Amino acid sequence: GAVVSQHPSWVICKSGTSVKIECRSLDFQATTMFWYRQFPKQSLMLMATSNEGSKATYEQGVEKDKFLINHASLTLSTLTVTSAHPEDSSFYICSARDGGTGVAEQYFGPGTRLTVT
Amino acid sequence: AQTVTQSQPEMSVQEAETVTLSCTYDTSESDYYLFWYKQPPSRQMILVIRQEAYKQQNATENRFSVNFQKAAKSFSLKISDSQLGDAAMYFCAYRSGNNDMRFGAGTRLTVKP
Repeated sequence: GAVVSQHPSWVICKSGTSVKIECRSLDFQATTMFWYRQFPKQSLMLMATSNEGSKATYEQGVEKDKFLINHASLTLSTLTVTSAHPEDSSFYICSARDGGTGVAEQYFGPGTRLTVT
Repeated sequence: AQTVTQSQPEMSVQEAETVTLSCTYDTSESDYYLFWYKQPPSRQMILVIRQEAYKQQNATENRFSVNFQKAAKSFSLKISDSQLGDAAMYFCAYRSGNNDMRFGAGTRLTVKP
């Protein structure tokens, strides 16, 4: 099956610094990628949708200047949390859609745990 | 806006027994997809089963089957012959066309040996 990787799987950073999370589709071209945020014991909340070569579309309430998303190629999207604060600590999950299939299957990465101290 | 509701925060089942997880959704679309995902402690999202709204036949995948009631906007998941490895969070999800996927709040399933 299709594989989506995320790097790093766990990152700890100091308050005020920025951290970048990478999401890669390993064996398919991802025309669309999604970034979700999941707090403990809660569901996945969509943060933004990005299409290759276009600006990301952010969900209401998500600060686009704080969560920078770049989808520069059909296999790579990055999420940069700028000036991170402890309240940004969460589990971030990316998902990639395979534009080559009729149903446009969507595959999930293993997630990245961000801890801001 | 589309919403997905899972009314059971927690469910428990005895090993080898059958359990049904409930999900309802709200939409004005006629063409959409419904999904059940499993999230084990590793937190990797695993697709359990998918249903296309235009299909009347309920989807099945081995021990997993759904009861899709389009008019009632209901999409329940039945797990037969429950196994210890089935213990996880289960999320019901909705997607309209090529739009984004929306998730329910989740149901934590415990399997008792």
